[in-house]
Amino acid sequence: DAGVIQSPRHEVTEMGQEVTLRCKPISGHNSLFWYRQTMMRGLELLIYFNNNVPIDDSGMPEDRFSAKMPNASFSTLKIQPSEPRDSAVYFCASREGSGIGSPLHFGNGTRLTVT
Amino acid sequence: DQQVKQNSPSLSVQEGRISILNCDYTNSMFDYFLWYKKYPAEGPTFLISISSIKDKNEDGRFTVFLNKSAKHLSLHIVPSQPGDSAVYFCAASAISGGYQKVTFGTGTKLQVIP
Repeated sequence: DAGVIQSPRHEVTEMGQEVTLRCKPISGHNSLFWYRQTMMRGLELLIYFNNNVPIDDSGMPEDRFSAKMPNASFSTLKIQPSEPRDSAVYFCASREGSGIGSPLHFGNGTRLTVT
Repeated sequence: DQQVKQNSPSLSVQEGRISILNCDYTNSMFDYFLWYKKYPAEGPTFLISISSIKDKNEDGRFTVFLNKSAKHLSLHIVPSQPGDSAVYFCAASAISGGYQKVTFGTGTKLQVIP
């Protein structure tokens, strides 16, 4: 079990550039989450997919953020255009089932720095 | 609107002593609570959980207590070990839009001093 795989681990980009973060969930997990970690707000849920369908995107900050899940083994989070305030660590997590008590399995995150 | 609050950003404890990490929540609809541990440059990993119908759950050195009337839970680690040094996130889940939505706190950084 390779766990949740995120790429890249680090991304440094200039303001205004497009950034794409990638995630491969654990095989067999049908739920996928994107979280953002900041000092002020901790882990914020950005978007949740179930069976590849976006269910809750109420946490997406604004239209500059978009996420897709074209199949069960791949998801992307895109920021276009990026801004310095987007600098944070972005985590992808997957879960088997959607029932109560099923823990989330996190990837190691992508540290994004926008200058 | 922070529904899950960890008011202590950091905590230092001597090795062998008890570590107590606290968490408060505001949403009475939360029905399951979890603690995650996070080491630097890694993602959070699940540690222990508790259902809202219980007031205590124990797993080895880790015990979680839930006080529903006070909307408060705590994680006890005893005895604390240097390897426990990490950031601990409190999380709570509730049905939202037909799925179990998990809301996290801001984390508490625990340092266990040898």
